[in-house]
Amino acid sequence: DAGVIQSPRHEVTEMGQEVTLRCKPISGHDYLFWYRQTMMRGLELLIYFNNNVPIDDSGMPEDRFSAKMPNASFSTLKIQPSEPRDSAVYFCASRPPQRSGANVLTFGAGSRLTVL
Amino acid sequence: AQSVTQLGSHVSVSEGALVLLRCNYSSSVPPYLFWYVQYPNQGLQLLLKYTSAATLVKGINGFEAEFKKSETSFHLTKPSAHMSDAAEYFCAVSDQGTDKLIFGTGTRLQVFP
Repeated sequence: DAGVIQSPRHEVTEMGQEVTLRCKPISGHDYLFWYRQTMMRGLELLIYFNNNVPIDDSGMPEDRFSAKMPNASFSTLKIQPSEPRDSAVYFCASRPPQRSGANVLTFGAGSRLTVL
Repeated sequence: AQSVTQLGSHVSVSEGALVLLRCNYSSSVPPYLFWYVQYPNQGLQLLLKYTSAATLVKGINGFEAEFKKSETSFHLTKPSAHMSDAAEYFCAVSDQGTDKLIFGTGTRLQVFP
């Protein structure tokens, strides 16, 4: 298995531009999570999906952020318009179906976003 | 609400010395607890997890952690540090029956020769 695949790995854009980050979860995983990592705030959960349905988006900072999961193998996180304070590393993670054990997430390598 | 607190944002040890990374949790119900490691420019990898079975949990690369309910702690240890252990370590908590994994702020481990 190739693991969780994120693209692009690095993105540099100018303030006001639209940014789209992409994620392909592990096949068979029905949970998908988007996290943001910054020096100031650490790892923050933005939103997560179960079976392609958004379950909790309370961590999404504001309306400029949106996330979709049109099918089981693809998700996007969009920022429009982008601002310098959105600069961070964005991680996607996926998890297999809920069982009696703990929920172990597998993370992608992250997308480093720089907004100038 | 569930949360974890990692004491010490930076820890430095000599190669061969004991590694101790501290984590305290807050949870209203029995939690699941995790330690993840992040190497530079990489995503997070699971080191070990506690799921209410044995209180002493062994993970990869010689790490282990002990769940202590009385102290609400889940500290990570390794008897002898190796240069390759230099990384950032995250403690995380999830209440049983929930989907959300909440991370601590991380501890950066430096290992000196």
